Amino acid sequence: DAGVTQSPTHLIKTRGQQVTLRCSPKSGHDTVSWYQQALGQGPQFIFQYYEEEERQRGNFPDRFSGHQFPNYSSELNVNALLLGDSALYLCASSRTLGSAGYYGYTFGSGTRLTVV
Amino acid sequence: EDQVTQSPEALRLQEGESSSLNCSYTVSGLRGLFWYRQDPGKGPEFLFTLYSAGEEKEKERLKATLTKKESFLHITAPKPEDSATYLCAVQAAENYGQNFVFGPGTRLSVLP
Repeated sequence: DAGVTQSPTHLIKTRGQQVTLRCSPKSGHDTVSWYQQALGQGPQFIFQYYEEEERQRGNFPDRFSGHQFPNYSSELNVNALLLGDSALYLCASSRTLGSAGYYGYTFGSGTRLTVV
Repeated sequence: EDQVTQSPEALRLQEGESSSLNCSYTVSGLRGLFWYRQDPGKGPEFLFTLYSAGEEKEKERLKATLTKKESFLHITAPKPEDSATYLCAVQAAENYGQNFVFGPGTRLSVLP
């Protein structure tokens, strides 16, 4: 049973560029959340998608946007990249909205984004 | 604002040397407290959920406990394979179904 898959695994971009990260949730999961994890820090919530809508957003600027597709997969887009956007971007899925509080998230291995 | 702090930042143990990790939190109504394990280059792996003060959960050499202000992750007779970063997270009651607030983690190294 495949878990959460993320692509690409590593990415190097230049300041000012745009990037798209992709996530396929675990089979049977329909809710996707995105987290940013800076080196040596805990993950920080970016936003969550359910039924193709953004349900909640963390304290991130509008340069961060996302999308969820009918097959529950999701994309995270970041525009006008800054050096400070360098981090591990984690996708987490859960069975449905609210279930992460009972069963926990299933996280992918992340996309390591380096902005130079 | 919901906050989670963890201590120590890093911990080195000899194999078999038991110890505890601390997670202190402030949240406007706790819905759940979560422990995750993260190996280098991997995403966090779910360990436990605790809901109310006094609750305890166990899994192999790990036991998590919860009070009204903090949680402890007790590691009994650790093995080198227990080496990882342990993350604590809280979910506030008003964020039902939604975001978790994570602490910075404790990096545990268990030496053979």
